[in-house]
Amino acid sequence: ETGVTQSPTHLIKTRGQQVTLRCSSQSGHNTVSWYQQALGQGPQFIFQYYREEENGRGNFPPRFSGLQFPNYSSELNVNALELDDSALYLCASSLGRVNTEAFFGQGTRLTVV
Amino acid sequence: AQKITQTQPGMFVQEKEAVTLDCTYDTSDPSYGLFWYKQPSSGEMIFLIYQGSYDQQNATEGRYSLNFQKARKSANLVISASQLGDSAMYFCAMRESDYGQNFVFGPGTRLSVLP
Repeated sequence: ETGVTQSPTHLIKTRGQQVTLRCSSQSGHNTVSWYQQALGQGPQFIFQYYREEENGRGNFPPRFSGLQFPNYSSELNVNALELDDSALYLCASSLGRVNTEAFFGQGTRLTVV
Repeated sequence: AQKITQTQPGMFVQEKEAVTLDCTYDTSDPSYGLFWYKQPSSGEMIFLIYQGSYDQQNATEGRYSLNFQKARKSANLVISASQLGDSAMYFCAMRESDYGQNFVFGPGTRLSVLP
């Protein structure tokens, strides 16, 4: 186990709704990144938070937003859900921003119907 | 442009044999890191091995080794003595130093170990 926990593990939402996914990072890790993994593909970077500030963003629309809290846990919010948002959402925590390994959680599988 | 290429969508290997999973990458950054992750059906990405662009020696971690050929921009994963539990998706990923610290992942290779 990596010490990174995500909740919930599975979620079903209706198109147009909003969803919040949560990630508890490994103890001492100050950087959290979120990835979207569509079925049969590699994960795609959504955004990263370092010490509560957004520190990089991938090619995702503004309806994907996030937060990082003082304890370095994080939330991913998605508004106006679309069917294509159905995916596995992975959270990764790491210490610092230089080339260090990242530890991933088990993911939240979101289904939009 | 695709930055990580994994040309083998699926691979089969007999238990106890060695297998090589291919990965090529593209970057103009002189400083970067290359990673391999294993993803079982449960979904969690499990870190296997890391190679820094300035590392002189190929990385090894137990049964995993990374065959790093910098001039060819190649970072193949070698798994020795395959086990049934090695059956999973394997992703090659890169982190560049100048463009945030996010990973760029390849499309993955599904490895199936046969008894």
